[in-house]
Amino acid sequence: EDKVVQSPLSLVVHEGDTVTLNCSYEVTNFRSLLWYKQEKKAPTFLFMLTSSGIEKKSGRLSSILDKKELFSILNITATQTGDSAVYLCACREGGGFKTIFGAGTRLFVKA
Amino acid sequence: DAGITQSPRHKVTETGTPVTLRCHQTENHRYMYWYRQDPGHGLRLIHYSYGVKDTDKGEVSDGYSVSRSKTEDFLLTLESATSSQTSVYFCATAGTGVWGYTFGSGTRLTVV
Repeated sequence: EDKVVQSPLSLVVHEGDTVTLNCSYEVTNFRSLLWYKQEKKAPTFLFMLTSSGIEKKSGRLSSILDKKELFSILNITATQTGDSAVYLCACREGGGFKTIFGAGTRLFVKA
Repeated sequence: DAGITQSPRHKVTETGTPVTLRCHQTENHRYMYWYRQDPGHGLRLIHYSYGVKDTDKGEVSDGYSVSRSKTEDFLLTLESATSSQTSVYFCATAGTGVWGYTFGSGTRLTVV
């Protein structure tokens, strides 16, 4: 059975800290891995990674995919209270129709 | 979530009643999905559609049916609502070659 596992489930840090969120996966016919940020409502798209070793960056956020070891990490540097959210990792599989989500990591950044 | 509208936003219904949730998109996206989100489970796929009248089951499809009679609309029906179907339901869309989903704002459904 395909699965996506995220760790930790929750994390509390102080502003300015750097955090690393983990995502491991076992997905048949893996196509791509995606990261989403979910605040109060709908998830919003952050990154898509398809190749190993390619680091995606967007400001203070970056992510790496390791297709050999089947995991990805999401790094957030110089955290701010606005980074408080649930971060979802997801894998697109097979013919590209379906995406499987992990349970998420809830990040709380204290001022 | 611009271009994707879910209705209703909130609903309380009684056990055993049928319920239909609507997802409407103006993105002309080919693919549409219904997910439910519950604490500790993340987002779980209920049903998806890869074109008009083309639908398939996801991992938690029991007790749900869907219909897609036109590109813009994807309906999710709970045939006979149960308390275990209390959840937040998200619709998502994706276009051909677009790998990131666009999500609707969600429908919070409570079955009492």
